[in-house]
Amino acid sequence: DIQMTQSPSSLSASVGDRVTITCRASQSISSYLNWYQQKPGKAPKLLIYAASSLQSGVPSRFSGSGSGTDFTLTISSLQPEDFATYYCQQGSSIPPTFGPGTKVDIK
Amino acid sequence: EVQLVESGGGLVQPGGSLRLSCAASGFTFSSYAMSWVRQAPGKGLECVSAISGSGGSTYYADSVKGRFTISRDNSKNTLYLQMNSLRAEDTAVFYCATTPGDNYDFWSGPFDYWGQGTLVTVSS
Repeated sequence: DIQMTQSPSSLSASVGDRVTITCRASQSISSYLNWYQQKPGKAPKLLIYAASSLQSGVPSRFSGSGSGTDFTLTISSLQPEDFATYYCQQGSSIPPTFGPGTKVDIK
Repeated sequence: EVQLVESGGGLVQPGGSLRLSCAASGFTFSSYAMSWVRQAPGKGLECVSAISGSGGSTYYADSVKGRFTISRDNSKNTLYLQMNSLRAEDTAVFYCATTPGDNYDFWSGPFDYWGQGTLVTVSS
């Protein structure tokens, strides 16, 4: 199975900050990498698919990059509604696997 | 508007069974692969099962293989998950989610629409 790791596991940031979250795969997954946002008590929401494609309706302050084994999710200017947990997910090989999550909270 | 509404969760004893349903609307159901993704309390996400748009292909995580059965009724726009031999470690919120039919394997995601989830608690 492909193992997904994320760093950091949590971070504290202020409104307006630039935030970067890293996701690493245990082997190359090309660009088969998706990012989700989850708020407490809610279902996850797709933000980025295929490593860098912005899902329809998602604000442009979210962006994704990377290929192979190393990927990043960047929030260019953190907004109050962005405080949440973020998960990466690989779709390169069975089983599809998620990273452990990165919790972004208010400094 | 895409809507996915799960039902069927609840409290069940170890060894018991439950059948989850996911009623879909707002899109051409048969054109989308569907998945069940679960989240144990305070934990991360795990895709436990997926099914192609036609229903002809299925995927199961090792953790549920032989105990869970995924199915769909495209005439009713409904996805199902039959869960047998439930264990305490199956306690989780179960979400149904869609994967677009083109350009992706049925099991791979991305999971672009999600239901609100239904809680399954396995306890004596």
